[in-house]
Amino acid sequence: GDSVTQMEGPVTLSEEAFLTINCTYTATGYPSLFWYVQYPGEGLQLLLKATKADDKGSNKGFEATYRKETTSFHLEKGSVQVSDSAVYFCALSDRGGNNRKLIWGLGTSLAVNP
Amino acid sequence: GAGVSQTPSNKVTEKGKYVELRCDPISGHTALYWYRQSLGQGPEFLIYFQGTGAADDSGLPNDRFFAVRPEGSVSTLKIQRTERGDSAVYLCASSLTGVGGYTFGSGTRLTVV
Repeated sequence: GDSVTQMEGPVTLSEEAFLTINCTYTATGYPSLFWYVQYPGEGLQLLLKATKADDKGSNKGFEATYRKETTSFHLEKGSVQVSDSAVYFCALSDRGGNNRKLIWGLGTSLAVNP
Repeated sequence: GAGVSQTPSNKVTEKGKYVELRCDPISGHTALYWYRQSLGQGPEFLIYFQGTGAADDSGLPNDRFFAVRPEGSVSTLKIQRTERGDSAVYLCASSLTGVGGYTFGSGTRLTVV
């Protein structure tokens, strides 16, 4: 079945460091791909998404490109801030639509130190 | 409403008891989802409603779990004969058909003692 694998955390960085959180997936068909973020004490929030190969999702300085050839959707940010400390989840939507269940990675905890 | 509202935010119940968890989605969102999240895990799909009907209930773990959405808005997740393994954060999300991703509520933390 479909699955998502993301790098294990926790990831600890200093402010202004470069961030990469790896995410790879296995899916039949052409899924949509998502990154969600969960800040401490808050609910899950959609960070960015991409619906087809070579699409780049971006938001709040974060970017991820849908790479079909490597089945990847790695999350990157050029300069992290303390406020980026959160748990990041990679997810895919089966059947490629928005109104379908999401299959999730385990989450990667990010701590950014001043 | 402005966001997805879930009540209660916390629920502690004794093993074997019945619980109901409520989700009030964003007004006008036709799709509603229930997930549960255990510590250190990603969310696990339970059930998806399109309008009043359950379009996909393949994630419900067993027949102790049931969910309804009688008027196509508020949904209730019902768990009978609760077990300690049911302890988790139960998440509700809604979406407008064909637009964007989900909007999640803050979840209900269920603890079965």
